[in-house]
Amino acid sequence: RKEVEQDPGPFNVPEGATVAFNCTYSNSASQSFFWYRQDCRKEPKLLMSVYSSGNEDGRFTAQLNRASQYISLLIRDSKLSDSATYLCAALGGGGSYIPTFGRGTSLIVHP
Amino acid sequence: DAGVIQSPRHEVTEMGQEVTLRCKPISGHDYLFWYRQTMMRGLELLIYFNNNVPIDDSGMPEDRFSAKMPNASFSTLKIQPSEPRDSAVYFCASSETGLYGYTFGSGTRLTVV
Repeated sequence: RKEVEQDPGPFNVPEGATVAFNCTYSNSASQSFFWYRQDCRKEPKLLMSVYSSGNEDGRFTAQLNRASQYISLLIRDSKLSDSATYLCAALGGGGSYIPTFGRGTSLIVHP
Repeated sequence: DAGVIQSPRHEVTEMGQEVTLRCKPISGHDYLFWYRQTMMRGLELLIYFNNNVPIDDSGMPEDRFSAKMPNASFSTLKIQPSEPRDSAVYFCASSETGLYGYTFGSGTRLTVV
C-alpha cells in the first residue's frame, strides 16, 4: 500500500462550484502535511500547510482528520485558473524530514 | 531570492551517455532533495542532503545514479550510463528545516533516446 494515496480524478467542475479532494496517509506518526499545486509541465508549488486540525486561506480550506488518517482540500467558488494537479504530502514522523507525495488529483474547471 | 535554480531545463541524450543535472538551493536552506517524476510513478524521492551531507539515498534506483553536494550552494545528480527508462522530469527542492514545506526548482526534463 502506498504511503500517501489520492484519487487521480480528473474532477471536472463548472466555474463557481465547490470541490473537495481527500488524501489518505498510512504513517500514523506523520505530523505535518502539505498541499501543492502543479500546473502542466511546471514544478509543484506549495499551496497550504496543515499542522493541526486545519488551515484556511481565502477560497481554500485544508482539514486534517487524524482518527481516519486523511487530509482534505476544499476549494470554494472555483475559477478557471484553479485547473491544475493538486499533490498532497506527508512528513514522516519521529523527526523524519522526508516528505512522501501522493500521485496527485487533477482538477479541471470549465466555463 | 531567485528560488531553487536547476540546469539544464531540457536535456536530450543518447543511451549510454553521461548526464549531469545541477541544482542551486535557496540560500540558507539546510535541506536539499532530488526527486524524479514520471506519469507512472509520480514524484519519487531519490536522495536528500542535510548540511551538504547525504542522509538517505535509498531511493536512488541503482549504481548508475550518483549525487553530490560539495557545498551549501550547489548539488549535482549524475547518471552514467543513461538508459531510456531514465527519461523523466528531475526536480530539486530545498527547505529551511523541512517543517514548513519545500520549494521546488523548475525541473530538468530528461529524454534518453
